[in-house]
Amino acid sequence: GESVGLHLPTLSVQEGDNSIINCAYSNSASDYFIWYKQESGKGPQFIIDIRSNMDKRQGQRVTVLLNKTVKHLSLQIAATQPGDSAVYFCAGNNAGNMLTFGGGTRLMVKP
Amino acid sequence: DTEVTQTPKHLVMGMTNKKSLKCEQHMGHRAMYWYKQKAKKPPELMFVYSYEKLSINESVPSRFSPECPNSSLLNLHLHALQPEDSALYLCASSLPTPGNTEAFFGQGTRLTVV
Repeated sequence: GESVGLHLPTLSVQEGDNSIINCAYSNSASDYFIWYKQESGKGPQFIIDIRSNMDKRQGQRVTVLLNKTVKHLSLQIAATQPGDSAVYFCAGNNAGNMLTFGGGTRLMVKP
Repeated sequence: DTEVTQTPKHLVMGMTNKKSLKCEQHMGHRAMYWYKQKAKKPPELMFVYSYEKLSINESVPSRFSPECPNSSLLNLHLHALQPEDSALYLCASSLPTPGNTEAFFGQGTRLTVV
């Protein structure tokens, strides 16, 4: 099956700084890529998505970049806040709206 | 209402027990999913229902039996589980239309098999 992301690193940032979370994917079959945020004890929460024919999409305080040449996806969070502390998963959306999740990155925000 | 509600939140069961996990949504979503998530790992797809019909079974053992009684409810019946089946079981729903990527997840049921 499709593999999206293969590791679970931890990113520690200072409150107010910008955060960049990365994800590598190995299969280009996805029509969309999506970022989810999962706080402790909760289910994943949709943050932002990007179509495979785009290279950038902006939301509120978040930007997703897609580089199809190197099969790389990133999530940028501006002015990171303590409430942003969570595990972030990238996912690829396939036919049938199936989601294949990457390994995730834990973001820790220091006050 | 943009919630997916899962019950129970926690469940401890023996290997000979039969139990059921329940999931409910009232967003009019016609695609519903079961995912399994082990600690510090990403969710893994188990089943997909589209318009109340099972459309995808990701080679899940038969001790897990899904059921979709109607468009708002999704159950996962458990029987003769193993300790390695202990995990967080997540339900999700979405519009089944192509290109709709926003799946809404419940908070999950934390299952422990003893």
